[in-house]
Amino acid sequence: AQSVTQPDIHITVSEGASLELRCNYSYGATPYLFWYVQSPGQGLQLLLKYFSGDTLVQGIKGFEAEFKRSQSSFNLRKPSVHWSDAAEYFCAVGVTGGGNKLTFGTGTQLKVEL
Amino acid sequence: GAVVSQHPSRVICKSGTSVKIECRSLDFQATTMFWYRQFPKQSLMLMATSNEGSKATYEQGVEKDKFLINHASLTLSTLTVTSAHPEDSSFYICSARGGGPGGYTFGSGTRLTVV
Repeated sequence: AQSVTQPDIHITVSEGASLELRCNYSYGATPYLFWYVQSPGQGLQLLLKYFSGDTLVQGIKGFEAEFKRSQSSFNLRKPSVHWSDAAEYFCAVGVTGGGNKLTFGTGTQLKVEL
Repeated sequence: GAVVSQHPSRVICKSGTSVKIECRSLDFQATTMFWYRQFPKQSLMLMATSNEGSKATYEQGVEKDKFLINHASLTLSTLTVTSAHPEDSSFYICSARGGGPGGYTFGSGTRLTVV
């Protein structure tokens, strides 16, 4: 079965600083990979996804992520963080078959200092 | 874009009563919907997968008699928490397969509080 690890539970960055959120997955083949953002008491918004092709994926709100097969990673990056980026970020992996279920990481809480 | 409407957003019920949560895909047909439970400051745990016109598939450890899922149409799935107890208090989120660019569209969640 697939699994996702987000090693950082909390991250604090200053506004304007760069950001990298880590995500490692475990799956025997190439998975579908997602990053979602969740504001308190809200559902999930898709930031970006990787299905195949170019391993550097651009998303909304200035986010990007790079799929590295050799490291089983899909880290999320943003060159300059805005205060409004403070939220919970979830990495997820999906696989074909098996009901197309998504498996989520434990999330990373991002705090932005002004 | 694709929208999944989830209602109610908040509900408070008395212990022993049942609560129904609705999840509707507004502008696309969702043959598959997923129900998640999220505890405070924790990740989303998949409870069950529902397919239109068939019985839901529950994840291990989820009581199917307690969490009744119905997917009677291509745009509506419901989760009924039966005989709710305080330990059922949680944030429940539905997701529909299809519609959005990522292949999965999420509802805005329901905060259930059982008193």
